[in-house]
Amino acid sequence: DAGVIQSPRHEVTEMGQEVTLRCKPISGHDYLFWYRQTMMRGLELLIYFNNNVPIDDSGMPEDRFSAKMPNASFSTLKIQPSEPRDSAVYFCASSFYGGASMGGYTFGSGTRLTVV
Amino acid sequence: DQQVKQNSPSLSVQEGRISILNCDYTNSMFDYFLWYKKYPAEGPTFLISISSIKDKNEDGRFTVFLNKSAKHLSLHIVPSQPGDSAVYFCAASGRSGGSYIPTFGRGTSLIVHP
Repeated sequence: DAGVIQSPRHEVTEMGQEVTLRCKPISGHDYLFWYRQTMMRGLELLIYFNNNVPIDDSGMPEDRFSAKMPNASFSTLKIQPSEPRDSAVYFCASSFYGGASMGGYTFGSGTRLTVV
Repeated sequence: DQQVKQNSPSLSVQEGRISILNCDYTNSMFDYFLWYKKYPAEGPTFLISISSIKDKNEDGRFTVFLNKSAKHLSLHIVPSQPGDSAVYFCAASGRSGGSYIPTFGRGTSLIVHP
């Protein structure tokens, strides 16, 4: 298995533009998570899905952020419009059964977003 | 409010010595704890975990200690190697809504000098 695949690896965009981050989870995993990493807040959970259904989006910072999971093999995180304070590394992770036990999370390599 | 706190943003250690990374938590409902390791330009990877029914778990050079009364856990790396240089994230979870979704700390950057 190729692991969790995220694209793009790097994204530089101008303030006000729409940004779409993509994630392909590991086949068979039924949970998908979007995290954001910043120096100030560490790894923050933004939203997670179970069987393609959003379960908890309380970590999404603002209405500018939205996430979808149209099928078991694909998810997107969209920021519209983007702002400089959105600059961070965004990680996608997937797991079985919520996966925290036995360290069952597998993270992608992340997307480094820079909004100028 | 941070429920999982890693108060040392960085730690520098000489090769061969012990590295001790600390983590404190505030939520008494947490009953499972994990450490993840992250190299630059990569995602975090699972390192070691411990259940609240234990106070120690060991895996090779890595040992995690849990002090429930103090709501404190620590990761010991003995002996430290330059390849251990990475950011270490502490995470804690408790069963909520039928699943365990961990809360992560801010991370501690470990540098092991040759």
